[in-house]
Amino acid sequence: KAGVTQTPRYLIKTRGQQVTLSCSPISGHRSVSWYQQTPGQGLQFLFEYFSETQRNKGNFPGRFSGRQFSNSRSEMNVSTLELGDSALYLCATSGGLSDTQYFGPGTRLTVL
Amino acid sequence: GENVEQHPSTLSVQEGDSAVIKCTYSDSASNYFPWYKQELGKGPQLIIDIRSNVGEKKDQRIAVTLNKTAKHFSLHITETQPEDSAVYFCAASRGPIQGAQKLVFGQGTRLTINP
Repeated sequence: KAGVTQTPRYLIKTRGQQVTLSCSPISGHRSVSWYQQTPGQGLQFLFEYFSETQRNKGNFPGRFSGRQFSNSRSEMNVSTLELGDSALYLCATSGGLSDTQYFGPGTRLTVL
Repeated sequence: GENVEQHPSTLSVQEGDSAVIKCTYSDSASNYFPWYKQELGKGPQLIIDIRSNVGEKKDQRIAVTLNKTAKHFSLHITETQPEDSAVYFCAASRGPIQGAQKLVFGQGTRLTINP
């Protein structure tokens, strides 16, 4: 089975721009969660989608949003980028009744 | 709010010795506790997990123990090898309740195995 795929792997943007990141889950997995990883704050939960519905949301501003498509692929969007948004963005997927989450390699976002 | 404390932040051991990493969680409703290993440039990789109805779980050189009363859980790695060098994260969640996929992570432990 192929693992979790995230694209792009690296991204450089400037302040004020917006960015869209993509996550393709393991085949059969319908839950997709997003996390932000920074040296200062560690791994923090952004939100989780299941069957195209957001089920859980972390403590991030409204500039961070996401969506899930009918094939379970998910995207997250960050608008009006700030320097502090520079981070590794990870998605994790789980399937069936299991809550075990499997992570992708992440997208490294740098905001200049 | 929910919080997971992880110690130590760095750990250096001689190859062949054991390593122990400890975590404490605050949310008494947590009942799922995974451990992840993250190598440079990669996403976290699940290495072992434990649920609240079990006190200990072992997988070859890796074991995890859980004390629900004290809200503590620990990772034990025996016979350490150079490839065990990485950053390790503990996490807690309220899974497998529907809609409870949120993992709360500890701050991480950088483990170095000295040859």
